[in-house]
Amino acid sequence: GDSVTQMEGPVTLSEEAFLTINCTYTATGYPSLFWYVQYPGEGLQLLLKATKADDKGSNKGFEATYRKETTSFHLEKGSVQVSDSAVYFCALSEDGGATNKLIFGTGTLLAVQP
Amino acid sequence: DAGVIQSPRHEVTEMGQEVTLRCKPISGHNSLFWYRQTMMRGLELLIYFNNNVPIDDSGMPEDRFSAKMPNASFSTLKIQPSEPRDSAVYFCASNEGQGRNTIYFGEGSWLTVV
Repeated sequence: GDSVTQMEGPVTLSEEAFLTINCTYTATGYPSLFWYVQYPGEGLQLLLKATKADDKGSNKGFEATYRKETTSFHLEKGSVQVSDSAVYFCALSEDGGATNKLIFGTGTLLAVQP
Repeated sequence: DAGVIQSPRHEVTEMGQEVTLRCKPISGHNSLFWYRQTMMRGLELLIYFNNNVPIDDSGMPEDRFSAKMPNASFSTLKIQPSEPRDSAVYFCASNEGQGRNTIYFGEGSWLTVV
């Protein structure tokens, strides 16, 4: 079945460092791809999404490009802040988005130090 | 606008007791999802409803778990009897139910079974 694999954490960076969190997927159809963020003690919030190949999702300085040829959706940010410390989840929608049933990766904890 | 509302936020109960978690989706949303989050298994989809009808309950771990959606604005997830391995954060989420729309999560119900 469909699945998502993302790099294990924790990822520890200094403020203003460049961030990459890798995400690859396996899907039989053409899924939509998402990054969700979970701050401590809170639920998940959508960070960005892309619905078709070569689309770039972006929000709050974060970016990810839907790469069909490499089945990847890596999350990047040019300069992280302490407030970006959270758990980041890569996800895909099964059935190409018809049901919006999401399959999540295991999450990557990001810790940004001042 | 009110988001997805879950209650209780935190619950500690003894093994064998019945636990009921409640969810109010965003008004106008047609799909509702129950997820469970644990350190060992990450985020798992337990069940989802479309227009109050359960569509896929293949993620429900066993007969001790049941979920209902009696109307468009309310859903429950019940565990009877509860066991320590049920300790987790249970998230309710909702979306408009069509296409590739965003899924919105509640803040979660943190369940501890002792």
